[in-house]
Amino acid sequence: LAKTTQPISMDSYEGQEVNITCSHNNIATNDYITWYQQFPSQGPRFIIQGYKTKVTNEVASLFIPADRKSSTLSLPRVSLSDTAVYYCLVARSYQKVTFGTGTKLQVIP
Amino acid sequence: KAGVTQTPRYLIKTRGQQVTLSCSPISGHRSVSWYQQTPGQGLQFLFEYFSETQRNKGNFPGRFSGRQFSNSRSEMNVSTLELGDSALYLCASRPSARTENTEAFFGQGTRLTVV
Repeated sequence: LAKTTQPISMDSYEGQEVNITCSHNNIATNDYITWYQQFPSQGPRFIIQGYKTKVTNEVASLFIPADRKSSTLSLPRVSLSDTAVYYCLVARSYQKVTFGTGTKLQVIP
Repeated sequence: KAGVTQTPRYLIKTRGQQVTLSCSPISGHRSVSWYQQTPGQGLQFLFEYFSETQRNKGNFPGRFSGRQFSNSRSEMNVSTLELGDSALYLCASRPSARTENTEAFFGQGTRLTVV
């Protein structure tokens, strides 16, 4: 299993762009990178997934460099409702999907 | 399309009892995973079932068990409950266990309190 490392917490003001970086040095060829968001007392919610380069959806962008040893989740213009824990996961086919400690993002008015 | 449904939402049990939690995945999803979440340990993987077979297992004692039925619904059972089993138990479903579809859909969870 590829181990992931991400900051424990981050603060950001409303309206700013937030970038959360995840390190996964021993990522394998078949691994995909996935990010989830979790609010208190709720199940995690899928945000975005990628394999390489850049992926963008209506919620976020995911940047993955060529060596794939890290990835950056970018949240544009955050609002108070984006205050949550963000998890970076690395998984491959038929492998159990495990969560790390996540990054607690606090958006400040 | 209905989401992942977990029942019950809240449960209070006493030490030594056993408990069964239920999870109905999204229609058409064949993979069901269970997680335990506590403030101290975070989200920990319990096990994953795919087509009625346990495919992966986390590092939990044998008191924690599960099963999946032919309609993909899953149950997890915890026997001889301990105070430390108090947690939010989350179920997640995926269409399959293939990497290309690692998007898992989580239920609201069952909040178990052991007293």
